[in-house]
Amino acid sequence: AQSVTQLGSHVSVSEGALVLLRCNYSSSVPPYLFWYVQYPNQGLQLLLKYTTGATLVKGINGFEAEFKKSETSFHLTKPSAHMSDAAEYFCAVSGYSSASKIIFGSGTRLSIRP
Amino acid sequence: EAGVAQSPRYKIIEKRQSVAFWCNPISGHATLYWYQQILGQGPKLLIQFQNNGVVDDSQLPKDRFSAERLKGVDSTLKIQPAKLEDSAVYLCATRTSGGTDTQYFGPGTRLTVL
Repeated sequence: AQSVTQLGSHVSVSEGALVLLRCNYSSSVPPYLFWYVQYPNQGLQLLLKYTTGATLVKGINGFEAEFKKSETSFHLTKPSAHMSDAAEYFCAVSGYSSASKIIFGSGTRLSIRP
Repeated sequence: EAGVAQSPRYKIIEKRQSVAFWCNPISGHATLYWYQQILGQGPKLLIQFQNNGVVDDSQLPKDRFSAERLKGVDSTLKIQPAKLEDSAVYLCATRTSGGTDTQYFGPGTRLTVL
């Protein structure tokens, strides 16, 4: 069984500050991990994903995440927040087979203060 | 490349009425998912198709929800009869197969049940 826990349903940072969104997962098989972003009234867009190999994954819009197996974490970071980063962010976990489903966390709403 | 198309974008119905949603996947994408996203929550998988076969429908309330995928391309999700708690955004997502392939989401259909 797989599950995802996102710590903090709402995070607020100042423009230019570090963004840190936390995600912990549980998986009985080697996980594939994802971060998605959802802007108001839109579908989800993939920010980045970890499958195998390098544990530090770089995504779009300056975001990156690090897979830490020992901590079962996959936190999302961005060095300097921009107003356009305000959105809902979802962490997700999947198995590696073609039949695997993606399990989503409950989401973290990111607000950016001017 | 055209994205995942969904219609309608918005639907308002009264409880006990029926409703149907339509999804047109990206060309060549064999795997198709329907998710239910209740306000403030992450997407929850309702059903997964591989071509026109069902892979996982364990969380589909089969007494009122049904889905089909015509000729392994377009898909429809139906609710009959609708309940108040069905108010949510219904997201369609597709990917080429599974595992590491990126999942692409449509814009969703926002259903309000009065």
